[in-house]
Amino acid sequence: QVQLVQSATEVKKPGASVKVSCKASGYTFTNYGVSWVRQAPGQGLEWMGWINTYNDYTNQAQKFQGRLTMTTDTSTSTAFMELRNLTSDDTAVYYCARDLGDPYWGQGTLVTVSS
Amino acid sequence: DIQMTQSPSSLSASVGDRVTITCRASQDIANYLAWYQQKPGKVPKLLIDAASTLQSGVPSRFSGGGSGTDFTLTISSLQPEDVATYYCQKYNSAPFTFGPGTKVDLK
Repeated sequence: QVQLVQSATEVKKPGASVKVSCKASGYTFTNYGVSWVRQAPGQGLEWMGWINTYNDYTNQAQKFQGRLTMTTDTSTSTAFMELRNLTSDDTAVYYCARDLGDPYWGQGTLVTVSS
Repeated sequence: DIQMTQSPSSLSASVGDRVTITCRASQDIANYLAWYQQKPGKVPKLLIDAASTLQSGVPSRFSGGGSGTDFTLTISSLQPEDVATYYCQKYNSAPFTFGPGTKVDLK
């Protein structure tokens, strides 16, 4: 069965970076892209970016330009999302999802940014 | 960039009511639209993709319609377990923006 398993909760200080992993199983990893979505407390869903797992082509929301890096490790079927220069506004649950308009999502990773 | 809006932002309805949520894109996105349901503390669940294709296992009281710029999600007979926030998302081209959400609760 298709599964996306994300890394554990993170607590970071302002200015730090966070790297969230998303390990896929149950399908051919390079046949589908991976989207990253976040949700701040009490807020809606925010699309962050998408990576083509076959050729590492990425698209990302303008607001994250220069701070967001998405990568993959095809040997372990794992996607990574790194967000740099964190502020309190980056406190959120971060989700990975298989591609777009797809039912398979990770369980979410809570990232808390606090001094 | 194409903007996504949803209306209403929230609604209260009774069990058995027909509920319709509207999602509007600022430009034509053909039928590249998905609807998600999210219950508090849970992962979003895909209900519909390609504007009107119901996902396997989703109750038939849910339906989607529209194309181009105007889309609807309809719950034909609201059930207590449908209390949730509903989001639309465009996926024709990047950025793959979500709508702001519509919160549905019981009257």
